[in-house]
This record gives sequence, C-alpha cells and structure tokens, in this order.
Amino acid sequence: AQSVAQPEDQVNVAEGNPLTVKCTYSVSGNPYLFWYVQYPNRGLQFLLKYITGDNLVKGSYGFEAEFNKSQTSFHLKKPSALVSDSALYFCAVSPTGTASKLTFGTGTRLQVTL
Amino acid sequence: GAGVSQSPSNKVTEKGKDVELRCDPISGHTALYWYRQRLGQGLEFLIYFQGNSAPDKSGLPSDRFSAERTGESVSTLTIQRTQQEDSAVYLCASSLASIGALSEQYFGPGTRLTVT
Repeated sequence: AQSVAQPEDQVNVAEGNPLTVKCTYSVSGNPYLFWYVQYPNRGLQFLLKYITGDNLVKGSYGFEAEFNKSQTSFHLKKPSALVSDSALYFCAVSPTGTASKLTFGTGTRLQVTL
Repeated sequence: GAGVSQSPSNKVTEKGKDVELRCDPISGHTALYWYRQRLGQGLEFLIYFQGNSAPDKSGLPSDRFSAERTGESVSTLTIQRTQQEDSAVYLCASSLASIGALSEQYFGPGTRLTVT
C-alpha cells in the first residue's frame, strides 16, 4: 500500500527567505506525485504534479518541487516566501497505471512572517 | 467557470440520525471522489466514480456509508446511523480524463459534519 509522510507539522519562514516543505513517499512502482494547498476557509487547490520527465516541476504561485527517486522524496520549494503563502500544504501520491486513489499526507502548516 | 460545489456547508446532527451530503462536480468532469478529513489529519479516500464504471468503494469505512452518482453529475454521500467518530469535513473532488491520476483533482469547499 502507498503512503506519504510529511515530517513537519509546521514550518516557519520569514518573508523573503526560501522555503522547503518536505514530503517522502512509499509506493510500488513509479509514482504520480502532487502538492495541494488549503487556504483558510477554502477548498484544496492544486499546486503542481510530477508524472514523468524532468525531476524539477514548476507550479502555481512560484512554487516548484523536485522529484528524487533514490530518496523517495518530493519536497516543495519556493525561492522567496510571501506572507500570503501561509496555508496548509498537502503532499499526495498515486501509483502509476491505476485509477486515481490519491493517498495524502497529514499536511504541513506553513507560517510566513514579516 | 463554476467549481465543485458541496451542500450543506455545515451539518450538525444527533447520533443515530442519517445524513446526506451533496456534491456538484465541474461540468464535463468524468471522475468524482469523496474524501474525509478529520481534525488534524490528512485526507482519507472514501469512494471514486469514473463514468459508467462500477465505483471503487474500497475506502468506505463501514456499511453505514454509501454513495451514489447520477451519470456524470451530482453525487450524494449518505451516512446512516451517524456516530460521533463520523464528525469530520467531507470533501468532494472531480477531475477530467479516464485515468484520474494524470489529471489534477479539483476540490469543493467541503461539508463540515458534527455528530452530537
């Protein structure tokens, strides 16, 4: 069975500094990997996905994520954080070749301060 | 365009009552998903509909839970004889494409269910 681990419940970053939100996964075969963001009182929004190809994936709002097969990781990054990036971030995985049944991590709360 | 909508946004019910939650997916999306999000936890897959195929019910936690979908439109999630542990936010999502994993899922705002 697949699983996702987000080891940090919360990440605190000062505005303008780079941010990283960590995600590791376990799945049979090659994975499809996703990042979603949940702003307060709003539904989950898709940020980016890795299906195949270039290991560095760029997504919405300046976010990017790097797929590392040897470390089974898919960390979310942004070069310069904004206060408006403060939200709950979820990593998700689905095995390739299957109808989608995403397995989500428990989420990481990102707090960006001035 | 209109996103995924869910109703009601909040539902408070007494233990033992039945509840019905509704999801209106994005028009044209063939795949529809239900998830449960308990406080402080990640999303838990419940059920997946894809076109006219038999739904994947493997995530339903008990036989008190059921869901239906009419064609490629509205879906309802029914919880019978609710228990306090059913309290959670129930999220619906829809996506394009027959292979759901290739297409990102668009989520509704959720229904917050509280069982007293």
